[in-house]
Amino acid sequence: QKEVEQNSGPLSVPEGAIASLNCTYSDRVSQSFFWYRQYSGKSPELIMSIYSNGDKEDGRFTAQLNKASQYVSLLIRDSQPSDSATYLCAVNKNDYKLSFGAGTTVTVRA
Amino acid sequence: SQTIHQWPATLVQPVGSPLSLECTVEGTSNPNLYWYRQAAGRGLQLLFYSVGIGQISSEVPQNLSASRPQDRQFILSSKKLLLSDSGFYLCACALNTGELFFGEGSRLTVL
Repeated sequence: QKEVEQNSGPLSVPEGAIASLNCTYSDRVSQSFFWYRQYSGKSPELIMSIYSNGDKEDGRFTAQLNKASQYVSLLIRDSQPSDSATYLCAVNKNDYKLSFGAGTTVTVRA
Repeated sequence: SQTIHQWPATLVQPVGSPLSLECTVEGTSNPNLYWYRQAAGRGLQLLFYSVGIGQISSEVPQNLSASRPQDRQFILSSKKLLLSDSGFYLCACALNTGELFFGEGSRLTVL
């Protein structure tokens, strides 16, 4: 079982719609959770972090965490063509390392 | 704020040739540093991490090695490259919040 699993996609959504990305993790001791956005040919950049159960909103992005279900998600509201990218879920067990999912590629159709 | 410099940005190397990728960090002291590799269409694979000068932990046995000769310098090396070493190599440092901040990456193609 992979430590972090994501829907591989690609996920295609029309401009203005909500994009919903899912991530599950295997280790219950995981404490910190991150979403990174990676444009083609570029390095990942952090867009959201979440540490406790519930929702966290930042602009058009909302991260949701459910530790009991070992599940974290990212919602992108009012999707824009500039949101077209690969989104990486990352999990930290409070050791020195982040484990990454394989990423979900999102395409926003104009 | 942190800045990570990686070089070279792009390189094409023949099989069997050596490799040296360099990473330097600015804006922080005594950072935890990481080398990740991303193969085409794949996720990030942790190769090495370092919590201090001369301290290297390897995550996967492979054809690569890492060194940390100075506090803010992290080097990835190979004596003989394989085709499977091709990929996008990312240096990162850990922030106090547990997240990683990445450099711009080095894209390696082994022919």
